[in-house]
Amino acid sequence: NAGVTQTPKFQVLKTGQSMTLQCAQDMNHNSMYWYRQDPGMGLRLIYYSASEGTTDKGEVPNGYNVSRLNKREFSLRLESAAPSQTSVYFCASSDLRGTGAYEQYFGPGTRLTVT
Amino acid sequence: GDSVTQMEGPVTLSEEAFLTINCTYTATGYPSLFWYVQYPGEGLQLLLKATKADDKGSNKGFEATYRKETTSFHLEKGSVQVSDSAVYFCALRTDDMRFGAGTRLTVKP
Repeated sequence: NAGVTQTPKFQVLKTGQSMTLQCAQDMNHNSMYWYRQDPGMGLRLIYYSASEGTTDKGEVPNGYNVSRLNKREFSLRLESAAPSQTSVYFCASSDLRGTGAYEQYFGPGTRLTVT
Repeated sequence: GDSVTQMEGPVTLSEEAFLTINCTYTATGYPSLFWYVQYPGEGLQLLLKATKADDKGSNKGFEATYRKETTSFHLEKGSVQVSDSAVYFCALRTDDMRFGAGTRLTVKP
């Protein structure tokens, strides 16, 4: 199992450009998440998808859109990149079935720089 | 709302030293508690977890005990190694997951 995979690993954009970050998981999890990580601020939730066909805003959704393409894939789109979106982006997934602790499994991250 | 406060770093220790990273939480319900570790250039990996009061999570020599009376989940290791150098995140889950700001640990030979 590859777990959670993300592409690309690194990206440099100019202000105003758009791009899509891709995420896929092979653990048959129903829930997927997008976070951004900034120095000293831990992880902040951008959007999440509790199940296929649903998406909801997290703590910092402005400037982003998401698509839950199917159960495996959850993409994050920046329509018009801004320097404030320079960050490391992590995708995660979780299995919310049953009575487990519902820990999340993370991808390796995408380091995005907007100039 | 629910939140996690963890010890600010960075923390620098010599190899074989004892490690404690403090974590306290605020939650209205009964959260599950986690420690995640992030090695340089990688994503977060689950280190250990506990789902109810007095549970002890353990993995790779690390331990943390869910203390409801003090709302704490401190991470400990008796003898750290250079390979433990990483950023450690405390997290809780009730309806959603909340992460602390992270504590960077550097272990020197």
